[in-house]
Amino acid sequence: EDQVTQSPEALRLQEGESSSLNCSYTVSGLRGLFWYRQDPGKGPEFLFTLYSAGEEKEKERLKATLTKKESFLHITAPKPEDSATYLCAVVPTGANSKLTFGKGITLSVRP
Amino acid sequence: EAGVTQFPSHSVIEKGQTVTLRCDPISGHDNLYWYRRVMGKEIKFLLHFVKESKQDESGMPNNRFLAERTGGTYSTLKVQPAELEDSGVYFCASSQRAVDTGELFFGEGSRLTVL
Repeated sequence: EDQVTQSPEALRLQEGESSSLNCSYTVSGLRGLFWYRQDPGKGPEFLFTLYSAGEEKEKERLKATLTKKESFLHITAPKPEDSATYLCAVVPTGANSKLTFGKGITLSVRP
Repeated sequence: EAGVTQFPSHSVIEKGQTVTLRCDPISGHDNLYWYRRVMGKEIKFLLHFVKESKQDESGMPNNRFLAERTGGTYSTLKVQPAELEDSGVYFCASSQRAVDTGELFFGEGSRLTVL
């Protein structure tokens, strides 16, 4: 069965303290891996798509990387406004149109 | 440009009652998805429309759930009769491009509480 596991469940950082969020996945084949940001009371907001091992994408203080078994979302010098839940999702080969999500990582950045 | 709109934002009903959730996608988006998050669990796929046709409804839990998309525009998700385990947040998403891009635009969700 396709599975996405995110760790840690929650992460507290001081402003400026860089860190990484992990997403491990188990699928028969990968069509795409996605990162979303979700603020309280809102729906997920698309951040990045990664398709193959070695691929990297960047946006402001965020950088997403992909290996054959996991993806990392690196946050460099975070600010309080980066506080949110970060969701990882995959579309496996043959999954038609279905995204499989992880439970998410809740990030809090203290000023 | 208006985003994906969902109504109601919160609904509280008794077990056995009926609830209808509505989703208005972004104009021009042929793809419309329903997802659900039950407390403590991950967001799970329910179904996918392309225009007015159901492309994939493999995530629908049982026949108490009925989804429709009239004329390829807005969609409704009806739960009848509601059970306690149906409580959760129901998200609608729409996209212009294929799911492989991951570029889905989500609404804010409809929170359903079944007592």
